[in-house]
Amino acid sequence: QVQLLESGPGLAKPSETLSLTCTVSGDSITSFLWSWIRQPPGRGLEWIGYIHYSGSTNYNPSLRSRATISLDTSKNQVSVKLTSVTAADTAVYYCARVPAETHPSWFDAWGQGTLVSVSS
Amino acid sequence: QSALTQPASVSGSPGQSITISCTGTYSDIGAYNYVSWYQQHPGKVPKLMIFDVRNRPSGVSTRFSGSKSGNTASLTISGLQAEDEADYYCGSYSSSSAVLFGGGTKVTVL
Repeated sequence: QVQLLESGPGLAKPSETLSLTCTVSGDSITSFLWSWIRQPPGRGLEWIGYIHYSGSTNYNPSLRSRATISLDTSKNQVSVKLTSVTAADTAVYYCARVPAETHPSWFDAWGQGTLVSVSS
Repeated sequence: QSALTQPASVSGSPGQSITISCTGTYSDIGAYNYVSWYQQHPGKVPKLMIFDVRNRPSGVSTRFSGSKSGNTASLTISGLQAEDEADYYCGSYSSSSAVLFGGGTKVTVL
């Protein structure tokens, strides 16, 4: 049974870089693709991007200039960095597993999510 | 890229069937059979209910079914139960290899 656990600061200041880590247990991150998804309070889901175990990535066009997703295979972790954050980046951030290697489009395991608030 | 379009709310009585629509374009839903659906109860994590238009993951009730016609995908819940009251989101692969989500539909069991 795979488990995903997000961690990171719950508060970020405007213009800073938001950094979150997802620790995966019960599965190897070299087996699938991994994604980050966020959900602003009271609003819908927004896909941030995904990373293949080879290291190749793809991002939401609206976040491509600010988002970076990476893997640490030694720690079985997936990370996301989002630069130049504003209040609009306040959201619950989820990491999720992507089973489909071709046309990665669905997420079968999710972390519990971590709330990040952007405020001065 | 715009999000997929879902109705804000759908309601039904226990035992009834309801259908939630998810409208995209020829570049996403219309182009691929890679539509998924997620159920999210308040304060909880989204749960995968349907993938690749009509496939159910192990453990998901057969009361949930998915379909697609043209640029619109649909999730049907038959035999509506109180526990089905939740938000539902659709997702789709798109031509830019990105994933789009719908804005979400609140299902109310009357």
